[in-house]
Amino acid sequence: QKEVEQDPGPLSVPEGAIVSLNCTYSNSAFQYFMWYRQYSRKGPELLMYTYSSGNKEDGRFTAQVDKSSKYISLFIRDSQPSDSATYLCAGRGSNYKLTFGKGTLLTVNP
Amino acid sequence: EPEVTQTPSHQVTQMGQEVILRCVPISNHLYFYWYRQILGQKVEFLVSFYNNEISEKSEIFDDQFSVERPDGSNFTLKIRSTKLEDSAMYFCASSPRTGSGGYTFGSGTRLTVV
Repeated sequence: QKEVEQDPGPLSVPEGAIVSLNCTYSNSAFQYFMWYRQYSRKGPELLMYTYSSGNKEDGRFTAQVDKSSKYISLFIRDSQPSDSATYLCAGRGSNYKLTFGKGTLLTVNP
Repeated sequence: EPEVTQTPSHQVTQMGQEVILRCVPISNHLYFYWYRQILGQKVEFLVSFYNNEISEKSEIFDDQFSVERPDGSNFTLKIRSTKLEDSAMYFCASSPRTGSGGYTFGSGTRLTVV
């Protein structure tokens, strides 16, 4: 079973839409969860970081973690064309290794 | 905003040659990492480094790979004898501590083995 599963998309939405991106994971040891944004041929850029279950909001972005169902989500409100990128979810336990999903390609159309 | 710097941005090498990929982590960070991403695949963990030694490595990080912090600012990944399947984007990352926070990634080095 893959440790982190993510629908690769592509996902295409109109500007201003609310975007919902989701991942599931299988490793019960994961305590830390991250969302990264990656533009083509660039490095991952940290968007959101959460510890354990709960919600975290930062501007237009909200991250949710439900450890009971091993489900993590990222919501983007008022999406902009500049949000067009690949979004990567990642988790890790108490060790150093981040385990990434394959990423969801998002396009926000003007 | 502080950033992780990687050089070169693109390296082409012949199979069997040695390559060294270079990184300058964020100055007050203590933990350093290498990840790689084969085209169309996931970002994969290679190795983590703390206090001048490897703290964890993946199955990918075999004897062909080594890491070094030769001075107070650089962090390098060496591949001794490159194979075609080593072609990938290699990302360096750093973090202030491992207990919390996400990692800051560099823009990557695209390694092409021909």
